[in-house]
Amino acid sequence: TQLLEQSPQFLSIQEGENLTVYCNSSSVFSSLQWYRQEPGEGPVLLVTVVTGGEVKKLKRLTFQFGDARKDSSLHITAAQPGDTGLYLCAGLLSGSARQLTFGSGTQLTVLP
Amino acid sequence: EADIYQTPRYLVIGTGKKITLECSQTMGHDKMYWYQQDPGMELHLIHYSYGVNSTEKGDLSSESTVSRIRTEHFPLTLESARPSHTSQYLCASRSPVNYGYTFGSGTRLTVV
Repeated sequence: TQLLEQSPQFLSIQEGENLTVYCNSSSVFSSLQWYRQEPGEGPVLLVTVVTGGEVKKLKRLTFQFGDARKDSSLHITAAQPGDTGLYLCAGLLSGSARQLTFGSGTQLTVLP
Repeated sequence: EADIYQTPRYLVIGTGKKITLECSQTMGHDKMYWYQQDPGMELHLIHYSYGVNSTEKGDLSSESTVSRIRTEHFPLTLESARPSHTSQYLCASRSPVNYGYTFGSGTRLTVV
């Protein structure tokens, strides 16, 4: 059983469209991170959210941490082909937090 | 600019060979990790270290071993490679400030 479920698993959209990726759990996390991974490379940290209800913006990307700190979402406005990649959420479990738990990932393809 | 380096990037070896995957970081991070990842799939933790002379096995059973004699160096060794070991191996270190992970570019291992 995956502790962090991401949806959708695959997403293919046209350039200019908006999209939202979800990361859900039944467990509480003290913090949650989002990474993007391009083929043949390691994941790159995009953002860390630590407060329930927190919203962070990174250019066209908006990240939200759920009020109960059990879920998070990533919204991309006006997607571009350069946004293509594997998006991974990862969390530090509240109370233990010795290493990150990674989600299963969302593979995003933005077509020109 | 990479602060964590993995070598080799690609490796094709025969069954039964012993190999060592190298990982070095220049950030002085105490916490380091090895993950195994099949293309486009989730990351599986195979080993981690919280500092010199500290190593632990991760969630995924692995026939590999690691050592941490110096803070900056965290090599992973396979004593006898098998085709089932074919995968991408990612090394990471964790910032004590924002808890974000910095990943290397990975080693793509193929055992024939």
